[in-house]
Amino acid sequence: TQLLEQSPQFLSIQEGENLTVYCNSSSVFSSLQWYRQEPGEGPVLLVTVVTGGEVKKLKRLTFQFGDARKDSSLHITAAQPGDTGLYLCAGAGGGYQKVTFGTGTKLQVIP
Amino acid sequence: DAGVTQSPTHLIKTRGQQVTLRCSPISGHKSVSWYQQVLGQGPQFIFQYYEKEERGRGNFPDRFSARQFPNYSSELNVNALLLGDSALYLCASSSRTGSSYNEQFFGPGTRLTVL
Repeated sequence: TQLLEQSPQFLSIQEGENLTVYCNSSSVFSSLQWYRQEPGEGPVLLVTVVTGGEVKKLKRLTFQFGDARKDSSLHITAAQPGDTGLYLCAGAGGGYQKVTFGTGTKLQVIP
Repeated sequence: DAGVTQSPTHLIKTRGQQVTLRCSPISGHKSVSWYQQVLGQGPQFIFQYYEKEERGRGNFPDRFSARQFPNYSSELNVNALLLGDSALYLCASSSRTGSSYNEQFFGPGTRLTVL
């Protein structure tokens, strides 16, 4: 069974601070996605990383895929209240593209 | 272009009843996946359908079933509802399967409450 553990589970920070969310597994994934989900809505795709060691930037968000494709991190610089939400990593692998979601990190950015 | 749509938005059922949830994928997408998200947790994979065939099944009991229609829309059925089936049911569509990419686009979900 593939499992993705995210840390921390909860994070409450002040506007302008930096933060890093981690997504770890003992399994190798062919690709890994990061999503943000707001209450009552479906997850919204932020980025997909495919190559081990890959780094992608999306404005103030930096995503990295581990060299062994087992882990990933999301770094947010100068967090804004609009960054508040549930951040989910999801790994794809297997012949039928079963997607395994992480346990989630709930981020609150206080103005 | 319309995104993934799901109906109904909210649903209240009692234990033992049956429920059918519906999903329409993004136009041109042939793959539909269903997920169950219990409050405070990440989504759990239930099924994936591609070209009307089941391509993947998660660790859910046989009370859960699904199908995909020729227009690629999909239904998720849950029989003999239990209190623990209360959750947000998410549908996601993607343009392909079987490749190393699996970019999925999610609908807003159906909030099912079982009393």
